[in-house]
Amino acid sequence: GQNIDQPTEMTATEGAIVQINCTYQTSGFNGLFWYQQHAGEAPTFLSYNVLDGLEEKGRFSSFLSRSKGYSYLLLKELQMKDSASYLCAVLKAAGNKLTFGGGTRVLVKP
Amino acid sequence: GAGVSQSPRYKVAKRGQDVALRCDPISGHVSLFWYQQALGQGPEFLTYFQNEAQLDKSGLPSDRFFAERPEGSVSTLKIQRTQQEDSAVYLCASSALAGGVKVTQYFGPGTRLLVL
Repeated sequence: GQNIDQPTEMTATEGAIVQINCTYQTSGFNGLFWYQQHAGEAPTFLSYNVLDGLEEKGRFSSFLSRSKGYSYLLLKELQMKDSASYLCAVLKAAGNKLTFGGGTRVLVKP
Repeated sequence: GAGVSQSPRYKVAKRGQDVALRCDPISGHVSLFWYQQALGQGPEFLTYFQNEAQLDKSGLPSDRFFAERPEGSVSTLKIQRTQQEDSAVYLCASSALAGGVKVTQYFGPGTRLLVL
């Protein structure tokens, strides 16, 4: 089976930085995804890491360590519109289904 | 281009009623997935198609759930004799290829099902 753990909720101030951690245990691994989901809307793709290291994409960065079963999503220069749930998901080597964590609800305050 | 679309967006059903949820994937996408998302939780896998072949249905919670993709494009998720525990958001996602680098799944807006 797979266990994917991420914090339930985080609060940060507009303009600040927030780091959302995700740990996973899996019998197969073919990459880790981060999605953003606003309430009542579809999850939207943010990043995909398959190799160790940091991927930077504008204000968002994602890091992966396969040996540690660990990833984080870093959100910089927070804006009010960044208030959403952030979903960590693992793609198994065998098959193509995503296994999601429970999501981290980020609340950005003025 | 158009993204993944789903219909209806909202569905209220009486317990015991059958429902059908439709998904139109991104044009040309080979792989199609259905997920179920309970309130405040991450999506959970239901079933997966590669073209018209249903390759994995391990996540379907009971034999009341049935999915098809007869022509390898549009897919329908059918729930028979709905129960209150079926109330959830049903998300559809598609990806360009079955493997390799084009594995990113793009999600539709979901169908919010409420069973009374």
